[in-house]
Amino acid sequence: GAVVSQHPSRVICKSGTSVKIECRSLDFQATTMFWYRQFPKQSLMLMATSNEGSKATYEQGVEKDKFLINHASLTLSTLTVTSAHPEDSSFYICSASLGGSGNEQFFGPGTRLTVL
Amino acid sequence: DAKTTQPPSMDCAEGRAANLPCNHSTISGNEYVYWYRQIHSQGPQYIIHGLKNNETNEMASLIITEDRKSSTLILPHATLRDTAVYYCIVRASQGGKLIFGQGTELSVKP
Repeated sequence: GAVVSQHPSRVICKSGTSVKIECRSLDFQATTMFWYRQFPKQSLMLMATSNEGSKATYEQGVEKDKFLINHASLTLSTLTVTSAHPEDSSFYICSASLGGSGNEQFFGPGTRLTVL
Repeated sequence: DAKTTQPPSMDCAEGRAANLPCNHSTISGNEYVYWYRQIHSQGPQYIIHGLKNNETNEMASLIITEDRKSSTLILPHATLRDTAVYYCIVRASQGGKLIFGQGTELSVKP
């Protein structure tokens, strides 16, 4: 149980285009989903926290107008990288939380974005 | 959330126990200790978490010192597939966000 999927697993796009990444909790309802990015040889950096039906909370330094997050249902959150540039190339990972105290987060397999 | 300190890398022989230490001297009373691992180019995998008592599951054991200022993750019989970066994270009890440090890169060698 507690499986989280991401689609696509990898995407290559041209500079200036927008890319949407989906995160789905397959066998549970996730009250909260999180988005991370990870550059090569570095740790995961939390970008934003999203709760179903409300606006996402972004971490300091993350541009909310560039990284649009939608959490329309308890099983789906999307991250849209708008007007992507080569410096946005990264590994984007989502996680989903079951809710409640002391609960663990379950992570998706990640999406490798390459912007040419 | 409290900060954690882990050694950047460790080696372990296949079949032996891997003991991964973590210091969290500023942990507060309502914060849990979580362990995740990340195999190269994959999403992190939950391993175990605990508050005060030692915990064990099918993957690992978590030993937390009495003062809660440090903990050790134990993989009892490491295999080559346990080669990964292991993250120790301190997190508030109410489902707070996970803040990843640099972790320990564990290499299990034949």
